[in-house]
Amino acid sequence: EIVLTQSPGTLSLSPGERATLSCRASQTVSNNYLVWYQQKPGQAPRLLIYAASSRATGIPDRFSGSGSGTDFTLTISRLEPEDFAVYYCQQYGSSPQTFGQGTKVEIK
Amino acid sequence: EVQLLESGGGLVQPGGSLRLSCAASGFTFSNYAMSWVRQAPGKGLERVSTITNSGGGTYYPDSVKGRFTISRDNSKNTLYLQLNRLRAEDTALYYCAKRVVASGPGYFDYWGQGTLVTVSS
Repeated sequence: EIVLTQSPGTLSLSPGERATLSCRASQTVSNNYLVWYQQKPGQAPRLLIYAASSRATGIPDRFSGSGSGTDFTLTISRLEPEDFAVYYCQQYGSSPQTFGQGTKVEIK
Repeated sequence: EVQLLESGGGLVQPGGSLRLSCAASGFTFSNYAMSWVRQAPGKGLERVSTITNSGGGTYYPDSVKGRFTISRDNSKNTLYLQLNRLRAEDTALYYCAKRVVASGPGYFDYWGQGTLVTVSS
C-alpha cells in the first residue's frame, strides 16, 4: 500500500500570500495518478486537481498542481478568503487507493 | 447538475446493523463506478468500498471486509451500503462518491453531503 505523507500539517498564511502544499508518496505513483481535494468545514470534499496537474472543471487558475513519481505539490498562487480549508491528496494509480492525512490552510 | 443524496445513518449499538442509501441524479448512473468514503470525527478520509458500474466487481479494505456490503440498483439510480457487526471505530460521516470511470483506477469527481453513523451503547 502506498502511504501518502502531506506536509506541513498546518499552514498559517494571510490572504494574498502563496501556499505550497506537499504530498510525498512511499512508492512511485503510477502514471502520476494523483488528485487533490479541498474540504471546508461541514462540507464534502471538492475535486481540485487530477492526474497531478490538470485542473478540474470550474477550478480557478490560482490552483495548480505539479510533481511526478513520489513528490507532488499543490500551489495556491494568491490565497482568497474562501481558500482556507483542509486539502487532501489521493493516489489512484495503485490498489488500494490511498489518501494523505491532510494539510490545513488557516488564516494567520 | 450531479446530485448525490445519502440517507440511512443514525445511532446504533455495537454489533448492530444499518443500511445506507445514496440517490443519484444528473448523470447516467449505470456508466460509472461508485464508492463509499468515510471520515471519522476530526479525521481524514478512508475509502470503505467501491462497486463497478455493472455491479460485477467490488472492493473492500481489510478494516470492513466481511462486515460491509456494497450494492447498487441501476434501475433506481441508487447505491447502497449494508453495515453489519458495527464497531465503535466505524463511527464516521459516510460519503457517497462518484468515480470518473466505469471500473479500474479512478478518482472521485462528485461527493454527497454524507450521512452520519454513530456506533455507541
